[in-house]
Amino acid sequence: TQLLKQSPQFLSIQEGENLTVYCNSSSVFSSLQWYRQEPGEGPVLLVTVVTGGEVKKLKRLTFQFGDARKDSSLHITAAQTGDTGLYLCAGAKGSSGSARQLTFGSGTQLTVLP
Amino acid sequence: EPEVTQTPSHQVTQMGQEVILRCVPISNHLYFYWYRQILGQKVEFLVSFYNNEISEKSEIFDDQFSVERPDGSNFTLKIRSTKLEDSAMYFCASSARPIQGTDTQYFGPGTRLTVL
Repeated sequence: TQLLKQSPQFLSIQEGENLTVYCNSSSVFSSLQWYRQEPGEGPVLLVTVVTGGEVKKLKRLTFQFGDARKDSSLHITAAQTGDTGLYLCAGAKGSSGSARQLTFGSGTQLTVLP
Repeated sequence: EPEVTQTPSHQVTQMGQEVILRCVPISNHLYFYWYRQILGQKVEFLVSFYNNEISEKSEIFDDQFSVERPDGSNFTLKIRSTKLEDSAMYFCASSARPIQGTDTQYFGPGTRLTVL
């Protein structure tokens, strides 16, 4: 069973602070996706990382895929109240060209206080 | 921007009844998936579908579950005889053909299934 562990599980910070969320596994993934999920809604894609060591930026969000493609991090700079939500990482594993199931982490619930 | 749609948004059924959850994947996508999320728990993979057949399925996807692509646009999940423990959010997802390891999956808004 492939497991993705996210930490921390809960994070509450003040607006303007920086934060980092981690996603770790003992398995190698072909790609890793970060989603954000609001209560009662589906996961909304933020980014996909594919190459070991890859760094992607989405405005104030910086995503990094570990060199060994087993772990990833999400760093938010100068958090805003609108960043509040559940952040999920999900790893894909399987052969190229096939439909690959995603293994989801349990999520990090971020609360940004005004 | 293209998106995955799902109907109904909420389905309430009696234990033992059959339910069909419907999804319209993004139009040029070739791979289709169903996931479920029990309240307060992780999103779990159920099944993947490609070229009109199941590619992979999890332990959860037992004989009570089936999937179908009845026409060129819909993708359905049928639960033959619902149990209380089937109560969950069910998410449909789709992806295009993977390129260089990328197979980004786009999720629908989900159907909340409540089994009484």
